[in-house]
Amino acid sequence: EVQLQQSGPELRRPGSSVKLSCKASGYSITDYLMHWVKHRPEHGLEWIGWIDPEDGETKYAQKFQSKATLTADTSSNTAYMQLSSLTSEDTATYFCARYAHVGYYFDYWGQGVMVTVSS
Amino acid sequence: EIVLTQSPTTMAASPGEKVTITCRASSSVSYMHWYQQKPGASPKPWIYDTSKLASGVPNRFSGSGSGTSYSLTISSMETEDTATYYCQQWSSNSLTFGSGTKLEIK
Repeated sequence: EVQLQQSGPELRRPGSSVKLSCKASGYSITDYLMHWVKHRPEHGLEWIGWIDPEDGETKYAQKFQSKATLTADTSSNTAYMQLSSLTSEDTATYFCARYAHVGYYFDYWGQGVMVTVSS
Repeated sequence: EIVLTQSPTTMAASPGEKVTITCRASSSVSYMHWYQQKPGASPKPWIYDTSKLASGVPNRFSGSGSGTSYSLTISSMETEDTATYYCQQWSSNSLTFGSGTKLEIK
């Protein structure tokens, strides 16, 4: 059974950074692109970017180019996203999601991790 | 970047009523995916490749469209369909979501 297990909620001060994890089970992360998506209820879903864990190639939405850094550790079958220079605008729930080979859509999602940025 | 505009933003439907949600793209796209999200939960794949139902999705749902106009239709609204629905596309190295349609039961 495919599962994406994300790390727990985070509380950070403005200006700090946070690293979120997404551990995959039931498949090898090198076989699929891993995407990250931001959700704020009043803003809907925003695509952050993807990583190909097989070779480390990444692609970011322009808005998140200097905000997010995606990495992956194939030995632990885990993808990571670091968010830097946090502001209140980064307060959101972040999801990792696998992109299916057939149909090319997000077929599995992590449960999401809430990041709160507050002084 | 291709902008996806969903309409309506919010709507309420009575049980048994037919519901249509529209997603318009700023440029032509080859397909559209749809996700259902309930409060406090992850989005779920709902309709992919414009008209294919994801696993477990009731057949009262359907998807259609082409070019710049796509739609998700519920033939007969049920209470469990209350959720926010998002459309999504990926082309020209840019992946975008619609702003969402919040669907409630009357």
